[in-house]
Amino acid sequence: DAMVIQNPRYQVTQFGKPVTLSCSQTLNHNVMYWYQQKSSQAPKLLFHYYDKDFNNEADTPDNFQSRRPNTSFCFLDIRSPGLGDAAMYLCATSRDPRETQYFGPGTRLLVL
Amino acid sequence: DQQVKQNSPSLSVQEGRISILNCDYTNSMFDYFLWYKKYPAEGPTFLISISSIKDKNEDGRFTVFLNKSAKHLSLHIVPSQPGDSAVYFCAASGTRDDKIIFGKGTRLHILP
Repeated sequence: DAMVIQNPRYQVTQFGKPVTLSCSQTLNHNVMYWYQQKSSQAPKLLFHYYDKDFNNEADTPDNFQSRRPNTSFCFLDIRSPGLGDAAMYLCATSRDPRETQYFGPGTRLLVL
Repeated sequence: DQQVKQNSPSLSVQEGRISILNCDYTNSMFDYFLWYKKYPAEGPTFLISISSIKDKNEDGRFTVFLNKSAKHLSLHIVPSQPGDSAVYFCAASGTRDDKIIFGKGTRLHILP
């Protein structure tokens, strides 16, 4: 089945220790998104790629970076995780911006 | 500043009755609205959408109503079933945007 896959589902890291979350898709969609969602909050868009074109949200901290080496894969790098970065991280894809987004199951990040 | 507001964090409805989830928005440039459903430990899944040129869109048990003058939309589920218990996110986007803005979600409990 075509889908959006996120690994790992749960990630534990230490304060300040770099961590990478991964997302892959078999939908061949042009756009890939990374969202951060904290408990009882709306998913917050961090950045998205439209093909290779990277779009950073203005309020996304510099601590967060992303890579998209090819159409299928997109990575979220957190350079120095703080306690406030503990959250669910959702990856999504869409064929074009504003079209329906398809979400992965998310990676729950815990920072110790 | 929340552009998409879901003022009810939770809602309980008897099985077989109608569930009505509400959403308000502040940005008059929004012209496309979506509802996503999220089960625990899963990513949001697209449920139904509506364009601002319409005031109603129906898909099986799910109907979305849009009142542009009031900047309000609602999702009706009838009849409600146990499997409808989930968190429902309202989302919106505008013509010039290449992203969607989510509300905080409403947790729907379907009571037996």
